[in-house]
Amino acid sequence: DARVTQTPRHKVTEMGQEVTMRCQPILGHNTVFWYRQTMMQGLELLAYFRNRAPLDDSGMPKDRFSAEMPDATLATLKIQPSEPRDSAVYFCASGFRLGTDLFFGSGTQLSVL
Amino acid sequence: AQSVTQPDIHITVSEGASLELRCNYSYGATPYLFWYVQSPGQGLQLLLKYFSGDTLVQGIKGFEAEFKRSQSSFNLRKPSVHWSDAAEYFCAVVYNNNDMRFGAGTRLTVKP
Repeated sequence: DARVTQTPRHKVTEMGQEVTMRCQPILGHNTVFWYRQTMMQGLELLAYFRNRAPLDDSGMPKDRFSAEMPDATLATLKIQPSEPRDSAVYFCASGFRLGTDLFFGSGTQLSVL
Repeated sequence: AQSVTQPDIHITVSEGASLELRCNYSYGATPYLFWYVQSPGQGLQLLLKYFSGDTLVQGIKGFEAEFKRSQSSFNLRKPSVHWSDAAEYFCAVVYNNNDMRFGAGTRLTVKP
């Protein structure tokens, strides 16, 4: 059963520390999205990739967030330095092409103290 | 600005009763429309989608949704709700064949 895999499931860290979240998209999918979910803002699009190239990262705070796809099987979202306001659930999703339905991972619950 | 609106933050229905969750979008053309469900601690699961054609679409778990262009709506319905349907429901829209934007979500509580 193909699925999007995210690690870690939970991360607790202190303010100022670097956080790296990883995502393994479903094999064959060529689009990867990163979303952040909070009670106040709901689901926010942070960035997305097509064929490993970043297409839009306008939703991401550039000074501390970075997203990459080192290869087709791995997407990473990094926060450096982390702040308490970054506490949220971060979801990765993948699909075959832009405009079609997405498959979501189970998310990374991040708590920055 | 392009947006997706789910007017109801929280809805409570009795088990066996019918359900309708509202979704409105703002866009000049017809976007791709989706409904997702999220159970606690889980990611989002696709219920159904509309791209074109028949405006009444059937999804999984007995859900259906109707696209109404004149009302810019894509409301989700189910004739008889089960206790396992309690979850958060998100309407989503893809504009210009690009990124997917989500509504704020509607939390569904099912009373015994």
